[in-house]
Parts: sequence; C-alpha cells; structure tokens
Amino acid sequence: DAKTTQPPSMDCAEGRAANLPCNHSTISGNEYVYWYRQIHSQGPQYIIHGLKNNETNEMASLIITEDRKSSTLILPHATLRDTAVYYCIVRVPASGTYKYIFGTGTRLKVLA
Amino acid sequence: EAGVTQSPTHLIKTRGQQATLRCSPISGHTSVYWYQQALGLGLQFLLWYDEGEERNRGNFPPRFSGRQFPNYSSELNVNALELEDSALYLCASSFLASGFQETQYFGPGTRLLVL
Repeated sequence: DAKTTQPPSMDCAEGRAANLPCNHSTISGNEYVYWYRQIHSQGPQYIIHGLKNNETNEMASLIITEDRKSSTLILPHATLRDTAVYYCIVRVPASGTYKYIFGTGTRLKVLA
Repeated sequence: EAGVTQSPTHLIKTRGQQATLRCSPISGHTSVYWYQQALGLGLQFLLWYDEGEERNRGNFPPRFSGRQFPNYSSELNVNALELEDSALYLCASSFLASGFQETQYFGPGTRLLVL
C-alpha cells in the first residue's frame, strides 16, 4: 500500500508556480521522499528527493515540513510541457534494497 | 550519458503465448527493477535484480520471471499470457552506493498487448 496521499488532479496557469502537496504521515525517520513525473505513458522521470531538509535542483524545489508528515513539490514557473502525472513516493527499505511504492499521483494540467 | 533502454517498444501477443522484454541499464548501474503499469493504474513492483541475482519480487505469480546477465542487462519473461497482462512494463536501474541503492532511473517502457 502506498504510504502517500495526493490530490487526484490540479490545474495551474502557465508561468505560475505549481505547488503539489503530498501527505506521508506514517513516514519513518530514515525514509526518503521522492518525486517522479510521468508524461503521457512514458517512463517516470526522476525530479527530486529529500530526507529532512528542503531541496532544490534545476527542475523543482521540495519543501518538507519539520515533522516530515507532509511535503510540497514546487515547479517555480510551470510550462505546458510540465503537464503530467506527479508521483510522491516514500522509499521504503525492503530486503536489502528500497521499494518505491507508487500511488495514483496527481494529474497536473498546465493551462495556457 | 545514455539512459535506460528497453526493447521492444511495443509487443503484441495472443493469450497463452510467452513474452520476452529486454532492458539495458545506465552504464555503471548494477541493479535492475521491473514494474507493471496497467492502463490507468499506478506502477506495481515486479522484480529486482542485482549482480545477477533475483533479490526481491512483488506480488505476482511465478509465470513472471526474469534474469540479469553479466553485463547487467535484464530480461523479463511472462509465460502463459493472460489478457490482464496487457500493460506498460517499465524497467529502472540504480547503483549501490555506501551500502544502499541510489535513485532509480526509468526507461521508456514496453507496451504489451495480449489479444
């Protein structure tokens, strides 16, 4: 079962910031939060991940609350090409590796 | 740097046949993961291979199997195909760093259609 809950869909105006929320209230202390996106049934694309601190890269920023029970992915200036399903995942230890348990994600539509 | 590659891109089979899907990981990556994504659903973990060994498998029947070759590429075999096996099959790769697996990077997928 997914350890995350996300809204099923969101709209965002082109050029505006897209803020995608994720709840992971049962996260454990050493479990990372990962974000991927999937554009029209292509392979999921890695975006960003974090443990406790906020993270930023060329694609997005990840804000994790102090209690780590939720996080927000921020696309600072959304473009039409950012229209995709965004998955928030908690990476769970499993038999020597980590399982990525994908939920149903948030379908982000960027509007012109 | 080349990403994860998968072949074929599309595969059409009939019920009862066998399907073989292939994956080449990113250079330097030793782990390969297989996922199934049925239409409109999320990704379901299938199998994990590392250093040629099957390390973990998801909740799928034994007719889903595979292997990893010495060059770290991998095959997924699905025997006795059923209609509900129609899905996008995704391969991901990662490498072991400091005792744990790093970020998984996904290939473009193979779309399997069972008629």
